[in-house]
Amino acid sequence: DAGVIQSPRHEVTEMGQEVTLRCKPISGHNSLFWYRQTMMRGLELLIYFNNNVPIDDSGMPEDRFSAKMPNASFSTLKIQPSEPRDSAVYFCASSDPGPTYNEQFFGPGTRLTVL
Amino acid sequence: AQSVTQLGSHVSVSEGALVLLRCNYSSSVPPYLFWYVQYPNQGLQLLLKYTSAATLVKGINGFEAEFKKSETSFHLTKPSAHMSDAAEYFCAVSGVGGSYIPTFGRGTSLIVHP
Repeated sequence: DAGVIQSPRHEVTEMGQEVTLRCKPISGHNSLFWYRQTMMRGLELLIYFNNNVPIDDSGMPEDRFSAKMPNASFSTLKIQPSEPRDSAVYFCASSDPGPTYNEQFFGPGTRLTVL
Repeated sequence: AQSVTQLGSHVSVSEGALVLLRCNYSSSVPPYLFWYVQYPNQGLQLLLKYTSAATLVKGINGFEAEFKKSETSFHLTKPSAHMSDAAEYFCAVSGVGGSYIPTFGRGTSLIVHP
């Protein structure tokens, strides 16, 4: 099992540029989560999908952030335009609300630096 | 709403000493409880979970946690710390009000001195 796959692992960009983060969940998992981790705010849930449908995006900080899940094996988180305060580690996680009692499986994260 | 409080953002122990990381949750019903570990430059991974079976839960790497309903606590312990245990530890709760979305604590950084 390859686990949750995220790309890129590191992204350095300049303020104002568009950034797209990608995630491939574990096959068979029907829930997908995007998190942001910073020293100041800790781990924040941005948005989650169930069966490819966005259920709660109340954690998305601004309209500059958007997320899609076109199919069960792929999701993107886009920031347009990016700002220095968006610098953080972004994690994707997936889960199967079955007998695993809501355990989440995290990807390795994408470290985003906006200059 | 469910919430999780981890007491102490940093815990420092000597190698071989007892590890105790504290977690309290707010819930009127027994929830699902989890401890995750995050090693540097990695994602979170599950250490152990409580799902209303045995109150003493054993996890990977010699860690265990005890669910105490009367204290609404789920503290993580390990009898003898190893240098490799140095990491960030997160407590999480889910299942309250039918929600399967976990709420994470702020995390506790475990520092292990030689």
